[in-house]
Amino acid sequence: KAGVTQTPRYLIKTRGQQVTLSCSPISGHRSVSWYQQTPGQGLQFLFEYFSETQRNKGNFPGRFSGRQFSNSRSEMNVSTLELGDSALYLCASSLPRTSGGSYNEQFFGPGTRLTVL
Amino acid sequence: AQSVTQPDIHITVSEGASLELRCNYSYGATPYLFWYVQSPGQGLQLLLKYFSGDTLVQGIKGFEAEFKRSQSSFNLRKPSVHWSDAAEYFCAVAPTGTASKLTFGTGTRLQVTL
Repeated sequence: KAGVTQTPRYLIKTRGQQVTLSCSPISGHRSVSWYQQTPGQGLQFLFEYFSETQRNKGNFPGRFSGRQFSNSRSEMNVSTLELGDSALYLCASSLPRTSGGSYNEQFFGPGTRLTVL
Repeated sequence: AQSVTQPDIHITVSEGASLELRCNYSYGATPYLFWYVQSPGQGLQLLLKYFSGDTLVQGIKGFEAEFKRSQSSFNLRKPSVHWSDAAEYFCAVAPTGTASKLTFGTGTRLQVTL
């Protein structure tokens, strides 16, 4: 079974531009979460989507947005890029809760390395 | 707000030696607990998880972790380290009721000497 895929793997943008990152979850996974990883702030939760609806949101400005499509693929968008947005952006997917109510762990993709110049 | 502390930024062990990576969390209730490993340029791989039940959890690659409620700890252990274990290790928590919205520790970088 294929893992979580993220495209592109590397991206270079300039300040003020916007960027869209894509994530394809593992087949059958309906929850997709996004994380930002930087040397200074570490790994931080951005948002989670489930069934095309944002279910949880982290403490990031409104320049960071996302969406999920009916096939569970997700995109995140960052507008008006700042130097501090340079980071590894990780996407993770998970199965829905089981019928017994237990939760399933997240599986991470390789990330998109965004560099803002 | 929940938080995770990994007090050791960098640890060096010899191949074949035992390993323990520390993790303490702050959360009102018992959260879901995870250990992930990240190799350079890679995403995160789940080593093990604790949701409930037996407090000693077995994971992949010979790792185990023990949940100690009284100490708010979830330390990762391995009896004999291999050179391929060199990587960065992250402890993470999620609020009870969701395995998403992870809060990560700052990570421990493991170096293995031959």
